[in-house]
Amino acid sequence: ETGVTQSPTHLIKTRGQQVTLRCSSQSGHNTVSWYQQALGQGPQFIFQYYREEENGRGNFPPRFSGLQFPNYSSELNVNALELDDSALYLCASSPIGVGETQYFGPGTRLLVL
Amino acid sequence: KQEVTQIPAALSVPEGENLVLNCSFTDSAIYNLQWFRQDPGKGLTSLLLIQSSQREQTSGRLNASLDKSSGRSTLYIAASQPGDSATYLCAVRGLDTGKLIFGQGTTLQVKP
Repeated sequence: ETGVTQSPTHLIKTRGQQVTLRCSSQSGHNTVSWYQQALGQGPQFIFQYYREEENGRGNFPPRFSGLQFPNYSSELNVNALELDDSALYLCASSPIGVGETQYFGPGTRLLVL
Repeated sequence: KQEVTQIPAALSVPEGENLVLNCSFTDSAIYNLQWFRQDPGKGLTSLLLIQSSQREQTSGRLNASLDKSSGRSTLYIAASQPGDSATYLCAVRGLDTGKLIFGQGTTLQVKP
């Protein structure tokens, strides 16, 4: 158990809809990152938040957006869902300056029909 | 642009064998390298993290080495067990960003 939780565990949406995924980090971890993992692939970095500000972004369009809250929770929002958005979405938290191991949650499996 | 490659993509061995998983990266300017384990449909479990100044890390039957100059890391698993069956991912962190860049993973099956 890493102490990082994600909800929901599974989700089915239709193309064009919007989705919000949630992550609760470990206490004291002020950095959270989101990754997308397509089937059979390694995770791809979406973006990172540090102290509630975006602190780096991967090659994902603006319809992927996020928020980080003072209580160490965060959200990933995806608008105008496309079929290719079907994937496992992982969040990872880390304590800045302590070896910087990233601790991953169990993920949310999103299926877009 | 950093690229991470893992070879082989899949591996099947009998129980008890010692084995080596390989990871290579194209840019040696890294902050650290991390090995993860992923069970089917699950999240990632961190196994070992090697800082750029280190050569290796050990945890139980696992040993990871890092050769930054050649852009290579290996994960050595001693006396493999069926419970080791999973996908193993390596990831590097660059110097100027907190993001991890992952390889595609090696799927390991250890047969009883």
